[in-house]
Amino acid sequence: KAGVTQTPRYLIKTRGQQVTLSCSPISGHRSVSWYQQTPGQGLQFLFEYFSETQRNKGNFPGRFSGRQFSNSRSEMNVSTLELGDSALYLCASRTGATEAFFGQGTRLTVV
Amino acid sequence: KQEVTQIPAALSVPEGENLVLNCSFTDSAIYNLQWFRQDPGKGLTSLLLIQSSQREQTSGRLNASLDKSSGRSTLYIAASQPGDSATYLCAVSRTNSGYALNFGKGTSLLVTP
Repeated sequence: KAGVTQTPRYLIKTRGQQVTLSCSPISGHRSVSWYQQTPGQGLQFLFEYFSETQRNKGNFPGRFSGRQFSNSRSEMNVSTLELGDSALYLCASRTGATEAFFGQGTRLTVV
Repeated sequence: KQEVTQIPAALSVPEGENLVLNCSFTDSAIYNLQWFRQDPGKGLTSLLLIQSSQREQTSGRLNASLDKSSGRSTLYIAASQPGDSATYLCAVSRTNSGYALNFGKGTSLLVTP
């Protein structure tokens, strides 16, 4: 079956712009989580959505937001980009407290 | 706050060796623990999932154990191969935070021919 699909794979944005990343989970998976990975901080949890509701949120500023659609696809948005937002953004899908499957990530570079 | 630590941070071994990667966590109230591998610039590949009620899981040359009471897990890789070279990450799902994963910083493994 198809895995977790993230688009786009690479993005270059300018400081102050905003960006939207997309994640399509594995069919049947209703939980989608987002993570930011940087060399200094490692993998940090951003937020989790389940059945279109944000169930959990990490310690990130309000510039980071997300949503989930009725087909479980999820988007995350970062507004007013800063240089420090440059990172690999990963999403994971799962069904309940089961194995999490990750996409290939979106590499965001802010210049 | 859950802290996950992985030791060592980096490891280099010759091909064929058996090796152990360590993971420790501070809060034993977990749903499960998952081991991943990550190749440079890529996403995470799930290796093994251990539920909190289990003691170990095996997949091929990989064996992961979990001692929830002491907050420890180990990943054992038998007969290592150059293709095993990657970063290995462990992550725990806590019972009071939905299904959010707390990750360690990883162990970077290099297996030399």
